[in-house]
Amino acid sequence: EAQVTQNPRYLITVTGKKLTVTCSQNMNHEYMSWYRQDPGLGLRQIYYSMNVEVTDKGDVPEGYKVSRKEKRNFPLILESPSPNQTSLYFCASSRRPGQGYEQYFGPGTRLTVT
Amino acid sequence: ELKVEQNPLFLSMQEGKNYTIYCNYSTTSDRLYWYRQDPGKSLESLFVLLSNGAVKQEGRLMASLDTKARLSTLHITAAVHDLSATYFCAVGLGGSQGNLIFGKGTKLSVKP
Repeated sequence: EAQVTQNPRYLITVTGKKLTVTCSQNMNHEYMSWYRQDPGLGLRQIYYSMNVEVTDKGDVPEGYKVSRKEKRNFPLILESPSPNQTSLYFCASSRRPGQGYEQYFGPGTRLTVT
Repeated sequence: ELKVEQNPLFLSMQEGKNYTIYCNYSTTSDRLYWYRQDPGKSLESLFVLLSNGAVKQEGRLMASLDTKARLSTLHITAAVHDLSATYFCAVGLGGSQGNLIFGKGTKLSVKP
C-alpha cells in the first residue's frame, strides 16, 4: 500500500531534550516536506527536500533540522525543543511538485514540549 | 512574500445548498492545491490546478483557477453532511521550487 509513515505518532518531552521524528514513504517520490499545524494558523512549511541531499528552508525553519540521505526517509530533528514547538507535525511526499503531482500526507505526529 | 487568504474561515450551511470558498494569493504561482482535513485526521488531496482557467470536478466539489486574478474557488453543490470538514488551499511559488504556502483553512459544517 502506498503510504507515508511517521513515528512516533504522539510524543511528550521536556525542554532541551533532543528528539527525532521519522518520516518514510514507499512511493519513490523525489519531493518530501515537513509542516506544522497550529490552531488558527493553518499549516506552515518547515523544510522541504527536492531529492536526496537537497534540502531547503520553508517558512518556519528555526529550531529544526532535516536530512535526506535516502530517497525514502526525511527525518525532522529538534536539537533543543522548546514549548513553542508544541504542535501537530505532518510529513508529505510527492513526485516533482512543479509538474502538479498531488502530495500524500502522513498521519501526523502530535508533539508536546513541557 | 507570498500570502494566501481564504474566505470564509467558517461556513455553516444547510444540506442541499450551494456555496463557494475563495482562495486569494498575492504573487505569481504556478500551482494551486486544495485539501480536505477531517477532525483529528491527516490531509487528503482534492485537486491540483496548474493553469489559468483550469477547472476540476469531483462529485459535489468543483475547483477553478484564475491566475490573472490570483484567485481560486472551491464550489460546493447541493451540500451533504459528509462534506463537513476543513478545506485548505495551498499555493506553490513559481518554478519547480518546493515552497508551499497554505491558507488558514475553511471549516465547513453542513447541517441537515
